[in-house]
Amino acid sequence: EVQLVESGGGLVKPGGSLRLSCAASGFTFSTYNMNWVRQAPGKGLEWVSSISSSSSYIYYADSVKGRFTISRDNAKNSLYLQMNSLRAEDTAVYYCAISGVYSSGFDYWGQGTLVTVSS
Amino acid sequence: EIVMTQSPATLSVSPGERATLSCRASQSISSNLVWYQQKPGQAPRLLIYGASTRATGIPARFSGSGSGTEFTLTISSLQSEDFAVYYCQQYNNWPPYTFGQGTKLEIK
Repeated sequence: EVQLVESGGGLVKPGGSLRLSCAASGFTFSTYNMNWVRQAPGKGLEWVSSISSSSSYIYYADSVKGRFTISRDNAKNSLYLQMNSLRAEDTAVYYCAISGVYSSGFDYWGQGTLVTVSS
Repeated sequence: EIVMTQSPATLSVSPGERATLSCRASQSISSNLVWYQQKPGQAPRLLIYGASTRATGIPARFSGSGSGTEFTLTISSLQSEDFAVYYCQQYNNWPPYTFGQGTKLEIK
């Protein structure tokens, strides 16, 4: 059974930093592309970042480019999102999601971790 | 960037009836579209990929159709557990992946 468990969310002041983690199990983590998607309170879904299976290809939404860094450790079956220079508009539930099981969409999702940026 | 537009924003349907949700892409995306279902407090769940293929474990009452720019998600006979928000998303031209704004399916 595919499991994705996010952690690392919390309350942070504007301009601060936070590192999210996503622990994966139930599949061969090193063979799949991974993603971060976020959802502001009461709002829709927004793609944040994607990383290929071997970290060769990395992409970011314009809204986070230059502030967020995605990475993965295939030996630890883990995905990360380093978030710097956080803004109020970054407040959201952050989900990790796997691509490529069925499609190039987001086939399985974690339960999400809430990031709140507020003074 | 491809813009995805869903309609209606809210759809009120009685249990047992059919629901039809629409999604339009600002340019052709072939059949590279997925549908998700999201219930309150839960993560999205993949329903349909490739515009018309049900994901594993998805009941047959869910069906997807369309290609190019016009897509439809149909739920043939609504069950109580189907009332949720539904999102479409394209993966034809990315980055960025883009989502529709969602359709809330509510009980009439």
